[in-house]
Amino acid sequence: DGGITQSPKYLFRKEGQNVTLSCEQNLNHDAMYWYRQDPGQGLRLIYYSQIVNDFQKGDIAEGYSVSREKKESFPLTVTSAQKNPTAFYLCASSPRWDRGDNQPQHFGDGTRLSIL
Amino acid sequence: KQEVTQIPAALSVPEGENLVLNCSFTDSAIYNLQWFRQDPGKGLTSLLLIQSSQREQTSGRLNASLDKSSGRSTLYIAASQPGDSATYLCAVHQAAGNKLTFGGGTRVLVKP
Repeated sequence: DGGITQSPKYLFRKEGQNVTLSCEQNLNHDAMYWYRQDPGQGLRLIYYSQIVNDFQKGDIAEGYSVSREKKESFPLTVTSAQKNPTAFYLCASSPRWDRGDNQPQHFGDGTRLSIL
Repeated sequence: KQEVTQIPAALSVPEGENLVLNCSFTDSAIYNLQWFRQDPGKGLTSLLLIQSSQREQTSGRLNASLDKSSGRSTLYIAASQPGDSATYLCAVHQAAGNKLTFGGGTRVLVKP
């Protein structure tokens, strides 16, 4: 079955520590996205990538970094510069936008990050 | 800047009633609008996607309408069931790129 796998499901971060959240997809999608969700709120875009080796900042990129070395993978690093990292992080993928397709984004099951 | 609002934030209905969920957006220059379902601690499941040229989309008991000029979309769920209990989110695709702007969601509880 094709889908998006996020790991780990739960993650704890100590003060001053960087942590990396994994996102892997086997849907052959070009575009991938990272969102943050705070309790009782909608999702906010952190970073997105339309193609391998290219990515753009979303609305709340400060304190985060990404890489896109492979089509299937889009890891997110939460750096020590992110002062309020406790949230639910969701990864998504879709066909590339500039091909003119209005396709829905497909989401993983999320990673819940907490501060120790 | 696009803003998406969902009212009410929470809704409780008895089983069998029809559900009406509202979504409004401030910038009508959208490519499409998408409705999602989210179960507690889970990711999002896409329910319906309405293109900007369409007025509505239907899937089973679900029907979503779109009025771009007034910046509104409504999701109707007919004959609600306890299994419909979840948070429902709407999101708009802006004209430039495939980025989604989300509303805050409506948390629905269907009581048996």
